Amino acid sequence: DVKVTQSSRYLVKRTGEKVFLECVQDMDHENMFWYRQDPGLGLRLIYFSYDVKMKEKGDIPEGYSVSREKKERFSLILESASTNQTSMYLCASSPVGAGRETQYFGPGTRLLVL
Amino acid sequence: DAKTTQPTSMDCAEGRAANLPCNHSTISGNEYVYWYRQIHSQGPQYIIHGLKNNETNEMASLIITEDRKSSTLILPHATLRDTAVYYCIVNGQNFVFGPGTRLSVLP
Repeated sequence: DVKVTQSSRYLVKRTGEKVFLECVQDMDHENMFWYRQDPGLGLRLIYFSYDVKMKEKGDIPEGYSVSREKKERFSLILESASTNQTSMYLCASSPVGAGRETQYFGPGTRLLVL
Repeated sequence: DAKTTQPTSMDCAEGRAANLPCNHSTISGNEYVYWYRQIHSQGPQYIIHGLKNNETNEMASLIITEDRKSSTLILPHATLRDTAVYYCIVNGQNFVFGPGTRLSVLP
């Protein structure tokens, strides 16, 4: 089974803090994604990566950055956390293929910014 | 990317078939239809996908209309554990997850 793990299930941070969310997948997938999920808005893509050291902006990249130094690890960084970044953050990975096939999701991190 | 429209919520009796519709009238010829679900407090889970032909796997069946403007996900014998939000997605460059359909399987 594909395993996508996220470093924390729950996280509480203060406004202005730098926040790191880590994601690791164990299936040698090329593609990795970061989403946030908010009530009534569904999932929204923040950033994605097709390869090591490669990143592409998604629909809502403002206020976020990412790092992919190793194939299995994709980090989401909030440089200066704000209260509107309180959300559920979901990481996903997928193999290269026609239609980008299936995405495998981690359990999510619930971030609360006070 | 094509947009999808799904009902906000549906109920289904345990043991009966659950039929979840999705409209994607602007789908283009090379776009796949994907279905995922999300059980409360968990990440989304892939269910099935298709292009033109109907598909079936151990979880569900996917029926795509001939004009590809709509599709139906069928859970043949719904159980309480199938209670979740179901997302219909048409892929393009990126996945776009809308609000989905909240399916409640009732005992």
